Amino acid sequence: NAGVTQTPKFQVLKTGQSMTLQCAQDMNHEYMSWYRQDPGMGLRLIHYSVGAGITDQGEVPNGYNVSRSTTEDFPLRLLSAAPSQTSVYFCASSASGTGGTDTQYFGPGTRLTVL
Amino acid sequence: QQPVQSPQAVILREGEDAVINCSSSKALYSVHWYRQKHGEAPVFLMILLKGGEQKGHDKISASFNEKKQQSSLYLTASQLSYSGTYFCGTEGRYGGSQGNLIFGKGTKLSVKP
Repeated sequence: NAGVTQTPKFQVLKTGQSMTLQCAQDMNHEYMSWYRQDPGMGLRLIHYSVGAGITDQGEVPNGYNVSRSTTEDFPLRLLSAAPSQTSVYFCASSASGTGGTDTQYFGPGTRLTVL
Repeated sequence: QQPVQSPQAVILREGEDAVINCSSSKALYSVHWYRQKHGEAPVFLMILLKGGEQKGHDKISASFNEKKQQSSLYLTASQLSYSGTYFCGTEGRYGGSQGNLIFGKGTKLSVKP
């Protein structure tokens, strides 16, 4: 199993550009989530999904969209990048239908810089 | 809503013990502990579910006091490999916080030879 994979590993954008961060897992996990990590802030939940076709907002959803058309994939879209979105983005998945009762497996992260 | 971790940072010598605390203002269903090394993804250590259980893994153990809405992570006879930032993630028992983890800001642990 590859586990949770994320692409790209690094990305530089200009203000106003849009892009999609890719996340995939091959463990047949129901729950998937996106976090952003900023220095001194810990991990903050952006969006999550409890199964294909079901998504919901986390703590800091503004400026981001998600979709979950398959169990495996959970892409994160930045609609119009802003410098405040400079961060490290982690995707995670969990076997159960929630993020709280089972191990969350994290992908390697995407380091995004918005100029 | 974000759980509060203490201390923010701790420096140990190899073989010393440490305790990291995690406190929430909300009623909790579960507490997770993760360790993250610099430039890497967080790695799961353990989950504690409501019921006041205590779990252990090698020389790292944790407790969960649901009445006090607190959890503590105990690292005994620390090794160099224990260095990293430790995060607690809490799942609330009610309302919108159910089913998702809210993470603390982390505790940076440095173990010196």
